[in-house]
Amino acid sequence: DAGVTQSPTHLIKTRGQQVTLRCSPKSGHDTVSWYQQALGQGPQFIFQYYEEEERQRGNFPDRFSGHQFPNYSSELNVNALLLGDSALYLCASSLRRTVGLEQFFGPGTRLTVL
Amino acid sequence: GQQVMQIPQYQHVQEGEDFTTYCNSSTTLSNIQWYKQRPGGHPVFLIQLVKSGEVKKQKRLTFQFGEAKKNSSQHITATQTTDVGTYFCAGLIIQGAQKLVFGQGTRLTINP
Repeated sequence: DAGVTQSPTHLIKTRGQQVTLRCSPKSGHDTVSWYQQALGQGPQFIFQYYEEEERQRGNFPDRFSGHQFPNYSSELNVNALLLGDSALYLCASSLRRTVGLEQFFGPGTRLTVL
Repeated sequence: GQQVMQIPQYQHVQEGEDFTTYCNSSTTLSNIQWYKQRPGGHPVFLIQLVKSGEVKKQKRLTFQFGEAKKNSSQHITATQTTDVGTYFCAGLIIQGAQKLVFGQGTRLTINP
């Protein structure tokens, strides 16, 4: 039973560029949430997708957008990268109908913006 | 906005000593979850507390949820070197959709 997978594991970009990160949820899960974790901080909620729609959003600008596909996998897109976007980006999957939303995290994508 | 505060930020103990981290929310929570993140790793789910005043134990770990469902604590008895890592609390807030709000974490280091 595959857990949550993310790609790529590491990425280096320059300011102003755009990036796409990918996530495949744990088998059987239908909900994907994305988090940004800066060094030494807790994960910050970016947004959540289920049924291919963004359902909840944290305090992130419109430069952050996403998508969920029919197979429940998801992408996170960040446009016009800033130095401050450097962080570990975590994808977490869950089962929507499960009360409590226990999250299974993927290994993350380490994004460095130069 | 909704905030979850966690203290202390860092804790260094001798192996065998106890350790406690505290979590406080500005908002009443639907539940509280605890995660552990090893250095270089990703958060791993430990436990979830749902009921007011709930106490749960996992071997040497004890978790409590406050009566007002705004605070929680995690206590480790007789720490071992394998307990090293950062412990996060995360409060579940339901306003339409469900959202987890993480605390800043408590980084635990242990002197063997």
